[in-house]
Amino acid sequence: DTGVSQDPRHKITKRGQNVTFRCDPISEHNRLYWYRQTLGQGPEFLTYFQNEAQLEKSRLLSDRFSAERPKGSFSTLEIQRTEQGDSAMYLCASSFRRTQYFGPGTRLTVL
Amino acid sequence: AQTVTQSQPEMSVQEAETVTLSCTYDTSESDYYLFWYKQPPSRQMILVIRQEAYKQQNATENRFSVNFQKAAKSFSLKISDSQLGDAAMYFCAYRTAVEIKAAGNKLTFGGGTRVLVKP
Repeated sequence: DTGVSQDPRHKITKRGQNVTFRCDPISEHNRLYWYRQTLGQGPEFLTYFQNEAQLEKSRLLSDRFSAERPKGSFSTLEIQRTEQGDSAMYLCASSFRRTQYFGPGTRLTVL
Repeated sequence: AQTVTQSQPEMSVQEAETVTLSCTYDTSESDYYLFWYKQPPSRQMILVIRQEAYKQQNATENRFSVNFQKAAKSFSLKISDSQLGDAAMYFCAYRTAVEIKAAGNKLTFGGGTRVLVKP
């Protein structure tokens, strides 16, 4: 399978815990995006990488959120001190030019 | 900032019939891309169709076609000969065509339309 993959697919955590998600983009894609999707809504942009450089962050990305893309390959998204409002689907997408291809997402539930 | 609006929360269609989903957007740009993505229940989002704003011809992909009205800032999706597998959330999305490396050309999505297909 050469599509975008994400791990884990589901994560249940208690409020206040830290969680980390991983995204593996399509291998030749230099651009990588994170989005957040709450139930019944469209995805909202969180952050963007071109190769290993994080070039844009949304105001939605509070200081409890951090993302990395070491060596310009896979990316991780970490949420520290999770809150119930962080419960959502976290989507990763990658692209080479115009079209973004999405992974299956990680569904986070904060109890 | 660009905004995308999908005014139909849910649409129902009989199998083999046609359904049209509406999307309007607001932008001051002249060059951009518009997309329709499909998100089946518990499955990943996949691209249905893409339209470049500079092209007057409406995009078509098999049973899926768009009606792009640039002046009206309207971008509707028509699904012909609906099949049970078409049941999903459909999202309209906007992206600038100007390559701004620092901005990454993120997608701006509408709120989605749920399509139900009746056998």
